[in-house]
Amino acid sequence: GAVVSQHPSWVICKSGTSVKIECRSLDFQATTMFWYRQFPKQSLMLMATSNEGSKATYEQGVEKDKFLINHASLTLSTLTVTSAHPEDSSFYICSAITSESSYNEQFFGPGTRLTVL
Amino acid sequence: GIQVEQSPPDLILQEGANSTLRCNFSDSVNNLQWFHQNPWGQLINLFYIPSGTKQNGRLSATTVATERYSLLYISSSQTTDSGVYFCAVAPNQGGKLIFGQGTELSVKP
Repeated sequence: GAVVSQHPSWVICKSGTSVKIECRSLDFQATTMFWYRQFPKQSLMLMATSNEGSKATYEQGVEKDKFLINHASLTLSTLTVTSAHPEDSSFYICSAITSESSYNEQFFGPGTRLTVL
Repeated sequence: GIQVEQSPPDLILQEGANSTLRCNFSDSVNNLQWFHQNPWGQLINLFYIPSGTKQNGRLSATTVATERYSLLYISSSQTTDSGVYFCAVAPNQGGKLIFGQGTELSVKP
C-alpha cells in the first residue's frame, strides 16, 4: 500500500513552454501532498504544500505564479511549470500523507526529471 | 527553522561491513523518517521513527528524541545498499519534512 505515482517520469521542453506534472496517490486518499525539487548532488527542497480543495502554501522564494499547483481531488495534485527556462531544469518529486492513518508518514513518488532547452 | 545535519557525508564500505549513519536535529520533532534514494532517484521509505527503535532485516534505526538524534544501522552491507541515505524531520503534526544533506554510501564488491 501507500503507492504514489508521477507522470511523466521525464520531460524535455523548449524554453518558454509550460509543463504539467501529475502526482497521484494510487491506493489511498491524500489530504495533503507536497512538492519538492532536487538539483544534482543536492538534497530535497520543499517548494509547496498542497491541500485538497484549497490554495497551495508556497515556501519562501518559490514563485507561485511560475509554479502553479492544483490539488483537485484526494488522489491527484498537479504542478505546472509555466514559461519554463533552463534554470528550472531539475528533478521534481511529490509526496503524500494518507488521511487514513494517525501516522504522518510521507510517501514519495518516483520523481519527474525536467530538462528545459 | 529546524536544522538537520547528517554524518558522514560520504562513506565507502567493503561488501559485508557494517555502518552507522547519524542524523542530528536542532529542535523537537513530530516525525522523523529515513529514506534511501536509489540511482534512479526514487525515495524508498526505510523507517518512520520519531522515537524508539525499529528493525527491518539488515537495517535498524534508533531515535533518541530527548537528545535530538537518530541513528541508522546497516549490517552486512551489500552493493545494492549503495545510494544516498536521507534523514528528514517534521516539527509539526502532518507537516512538511525538512531534509538533511544526505549520506552517500558506496558499497564495493
